[in-house]
Amino acid sequence: DVVMTQTPVSLSVSLGGQVSISCRSSQSLVHNNGNTYLSWYLQKPGQSPQLLIYKVSNRFSGISDRFSGSGSGTDFTLKISRVEPDDLGVYYCGQGTQYPFTFGSGTKLEIK
Amino acid sequence: VQLVESGGGLVQPGKSLKLSCSASGFTFSSYGMHWIRQAPGKGLDWVAYISSSSGTVYADAVKGRFTISRDNAKNTLYLQLNSLKSEDTAIYYCARRGGMGGDFDYWGQGVMVTVSS
Repeated sequence: DVVMTQTPVSLSVSLGGQVSISCRSSQSLVHNNGNTYLSWYLQKPGQSPQLLIYKVSNRFSGISDRFSGSGSGTDFTLKISRVEPDDLGVYYCGQGTQYPFTFGSGTKLEIK
Repeated sequence: VQLVESGGGLVQPGKSLKLSCSASGFTFSSYGMHWIRQAPGKGLDWVAYISSSSGTVYADAVKGRFTISRDNAKNTLYLQLNSLKSEDTAIYYCARRGGMGGDFDYWGQGVMVTVSS
């Protein structure tokens, strides 16, 4: 199975600030078809997860351009700029390149 | 797009339960669907996938015990959970396969399954 390692486990940021979350996979996430199926999800308190970013750097419908994804191969990053109160929650990276699909253990974002 | 799970509850170890996920707002028959679970206070754990043509894939932890299925006429996804164990206790989410593949673009609100004597 592909192991997804996320860092940090938690972070605290001031409103208006910027944060980065790292996600590393134990194997390359480049699929045979040339696509890289690395996604980012946000689970707000008491809610189900929501898709933010798919295929490394593509923002899902309705997602603010304050969220950006980058990376390749086994190393990926989610950046959140101009942090707002509604951004708090747990962020997960997930790989959909090979079954079983797997997720990172999550990064909890708190607002100072 | 709306996904609404039901069928959860408290069940004894070794018993069975069937979860349902009612879909609306999109052409259900055209999309693959997933089940993902989350144990209390823990992270996300992918469980099973069914394609639009009803091909299936399972996580090793549930293979042989859980069965994913779909009824396109009823716009409903199912997960039959048999031989339940305490470690199956979790919130179970249904989620739609993303249009580009490899992700989950819409999630239901989840349904709680508690396995305990």
